[in-house]
Amino acid sequence: AQSVTQLDSQVPVFEEAPVELRCNYSSSVSVYLFWYVQYPNQGLQLLLKYLSGSTLVKGINGFEAEFNKSQTSFHLRKPSVHISDTAEYFCAVNRDDKIIFGKGTRLHILP
Amino acid sequence: DAGVTQSPTHLIKTRGQQVTLRCSPKSGHDTVSWYQQALGQGPQFIFQYYEEEERQRGNFPDRFSGHQFPNYSSELNVNALLLGDSALYLCASSLGRSNEKLFFGSGTQLSVL
Repeated sequence: AQSVTQLDSQVPVFEEAPVELRCNYSSSVSVYLFWYVQYPNQGLQLLLKYLSGSTLVKGINGFEAEFNKSQTSFHLRKPSVHISDTAEYFCAVNRDDKIIFGKGTRLHILP
Repeated sequence: DAGVTQSPTHLIKTRGQQVTLRCSPKSGHDTVSWYQQALGQGPQFIFQYYEEEERQRGNFPDRFSGHQFPNYSSELNVNALLLGDSALYLCASSLGRSNEKLFFGSGTQLSVL
């Protein structure tokens, strides 16, 4: 079965430092992969998606992710975080026309 | 351009009761999906409605049912509420059953006592 694993439940990082949020998926078939962000008391918002083509995907708010088929990973990165990036981040995969979400990673920005 | 709107924002029910949650999709969207997000978890897919019919369903019991109206708005009904049904219920809309970009509402927080 196709699933998503987010290896870190929480990630603390200092403001203006780089961050990487890890995501691994299990699948033997082509995948569509997504990162969504959930700010406090809000719904989810699409950050970026990989459907095909270039393995480096750029999204909104300066985030990017790299699809690595051999590692079955789709890690999210940002070179310099801001206090406004404080949120929950969800990796997701499309399986049988359903979006399956990971458990999420809470990003804590330290002053 | 109105985004996805959900009502009510908060709801408190007791075990055994029934509840109805409502969702209006983003303007121009015709597909509505419902998700349950328990505390500290990712959203879990409940079902998807398109052309007023349930098209996909996740691993949820028949106590969870829905409806889509001709104006594309949707309702989620839960019967015989259990304590474990306490969660944030999210509605997402899209166009033509596509999952390439879902637009989410802010959710309805349901507490079952």
